[in-house]
Amino acid sequence: GQNIDQPTEMTATEGAIVQINCTYQTSGFNGLFWYQQHAGEAPTFLSYNVLDGLEEKGRFSSFLSRSKGYSYLLLMELQMKDSASYLCAVRDGDYKLSFGAGTTVTVRA
Amino acid sequence: DVKVTQSSRYLVKRTGEKVFLECVQDMDHENMFWYRQDPGLGLRLIYFSYDVKMKEKGDIPEGYSVSREKKERFSLILESASTNQTSMYLCASSPLAGEANEQFFGPGTRLTVL
Repeated sequence: GQNIDQPTEMTATEGAIVQINCTYQTSGFNGLFWYQQHAGEAPTFLSYNVLDGLEEKGRFSSFLSRSKGYSYLLLMELQMKDSASYLCAVRDGDYKLSFGAGTTVTVRA
Repeated sequence: DVKVTQSSRYLVKRTGEKVFLECVQDMDHENMFWYRQDPGLGLRLIYFSYDVKMKEKGDIPEGYSVSREKKERFSLILESASTNQTSMYLCASSPLAGEANEQFFGPGTRLTVL
């Protein structure tokens, strides 16, 4: 089966940086995704990594190491609106995603 | 913008009832998915479809069936609802080709089975 682990909760202060780690053990690998989900809303796509290295998108960056089965999402210059759940997902074939349980980030003033 | 819509935001049904959850996407995506989301468990794939009339079981298909008669519509059916099917149900779609082929999610249906 697929095993995707990420911390349950993280708390940080407005303006700070938070790093959400994700480790995975899957039968195959065809890309890693990060989604953001605000309470009561649909998940929305944040980032995609298929090769090792860092992908930067404004205040958010995502890193992948395939040999270590490891990724992180870096949220910089935290804002109150960044309070949400962040979902790590691995695609192991052509279509299917396997998700971690999600990390709830709370941003405090 | 891709739009994925689901027929209901909230639904309350009784044990044993047949339940239909409808999902429609307007971007001509080939792939469509049904997930359930439960606290502490994350999103789990129930069924997916990569073409009209095609379906494949996901990780937790027991107690569910699906129908895809048209490309834009993917229905999830609970033949005889049970209390352990109380959950948030999310539909998603994705294109066949593209770099990331990310999935786009609908707003979800919160189903309560009494």
